Amino acid sequence: GQNIDQPTEMTATEGAIVQINCTYQTSGFNGLFWYQQHAGEAPTFLSYNVLDGLEEKGRFSSFLSRSKGYSYLLLKELQMKDSASYLCAVRDGDSGYALNFGKGTSLLVTP
Amino acid sequence: GAVVSQHPSWVICKSGTSVKIECRSLDFQATTMFWYRQFPKQSLMLMATSNEGSKATYEQGVEKDKFLINHASLTLSTLTVTSAHPEDSSFYICSARDNWRNEKLFFGSGTQLSVL
Repeated sequence: GQNIDQPTEMTATEGAIVQINCTYQTSGFNGLFWYQQHAGEAPTFLSYNVLDGLEEKGRFSSFLSRSKGYSYLLLKELQMKDSASYLCAVRDGDSGYALNFGKGTSLLVTP
Repeated sequence: GAVVSQHPSWVICKSGTSVKIECRSLDFQATTMFWYRQFPKQSLMLMATSNEGSKATYEQGVEKDKFLINHASLTLSTLTVTSAHPEDSSFYICSARDNWRNEKLFFGSGTQLSVL
């Protein structure tokens, strides 16, 4: 089984930087994913980390430390459209490569 | 990019009826597809893993006789909610793993099921 923890809610100002943390415990770690989900829609892929370190993709970056069971998603130059739920998901190689999701962090970007 | 088509987008049905949801990978082959359920303001919960040509693997607490899964081809998996009840009302999302690109899952657009 897996325990995936992330904050429930966060608020940040347009133009600012926000970091969403995720901690996990898993037996067969095979990658960590971040997804963005707007209400009533399917998740959209943001990033994937399987090795330690920082992956940068435009305004979004994701960091992974496997020894600490820790990841964060960094969003820069926040825009109003970034208001959404951000889901941390861990892939377990012992369970057919399914993704197990955390409860998500609801981010509100204010003017 | 890879596309997963899920149909229908939403369905309203009477209690006791059955509802079938289709999930198709449009431009790739998917030996494995996953079905998730999401209740309001909660995260995605894995229901089952669908394997082409074999029986699905269900997560603990998910009734296999109630949620029938068929994965008859490399591009199609179906989820049938049998004898649906109001507590089955939820957002159901399928996802597919490209046989040749293992690094991420591609999600369908989801099906909002409302059982009256």
